[in-house]
Amino acid sequence: AQKVTQAQTEISVVEKEDVTLDCVYETRDTTYYLFWYKQPPSGELVFLIRRNSFDEQNEISGRYSWNFQKSTSSFNFTITASQVVDSAVYFCALSASWAGGTSYGKLTFGQGTILTVHP
Amino acid sequence: GAVVSQHPSRVICKSGTSVKIECRSLDFQATTMFWYRQFPKQSLMLMATSNEGSKATYEQGVEKDKFLINHASLTLSTLTVTSAHPEDSSFYICSASPSGGARETQYFGPGTRLLVL
Repeated sequence: AQKVTQAQTEISVVEKEDVTLDCVYETRDTTYYLFWYKQPPSGELVFLIRRNSFDEQNEISGRYSWNFQKSTSSFNFTITASQVVDSAVYFCALSASWAGGTSYGKLTFGQGTILTVHP
Repeated sequence: GAVVSQHPSRVICKSGTSVKIECRSLDFQATTMFWYRQFPKQSLMLMATSNEGSKATYEQGVEKDKFLINHASLTLSTLTVTSAHPEDSSFYICSASPSGGARETQYFGPGTRLLVL
């Protein structure tokens, strides 16, 4: 069974602060994908990143960065110099990558972290 | 590119009626589509996997006779909530995976908010 845990239910920061959203996952699959999505109040999911389990390199995209630690089964997301527009619910998700498995393509989402950035 | 639409975006219905939600891939073909449900302030939960030309596969605990899924073409999947009740009120989101590609590539629709009175 797959499981994704986002221990932080809500985080509140002041603009320009850095903030890290934690994500810990469990899976029996040897290969898998990890994702982060942003869900603004409109409800539409915004794709942020997909990471293959083979690739443990950290990634940076503008103010966003991701730290993948396979040894601790974590895939944390950091926003640098946060802005009010970053306020949203952020979901970490996991899917199996083996086409022969019954979980192929199915996304298991964490509980989500509500991020509020105050001016 | 890679746009997925859902219709309607919002629907209010009376208890006992059926509601159909459409999920369309506008600029690509999708052999596989997924349907998720999100209750207020909760996470997204996969309901079923919709496969073009074959029966949908449902997740454990999801009633297949209540949530009818039809994937009759490579660009359209429909979810029908039959005999809807207030507890079915939720945000329903679909995703579509381009044909010929890997399923980890999915594009999400904007969601449909269902309120059953």
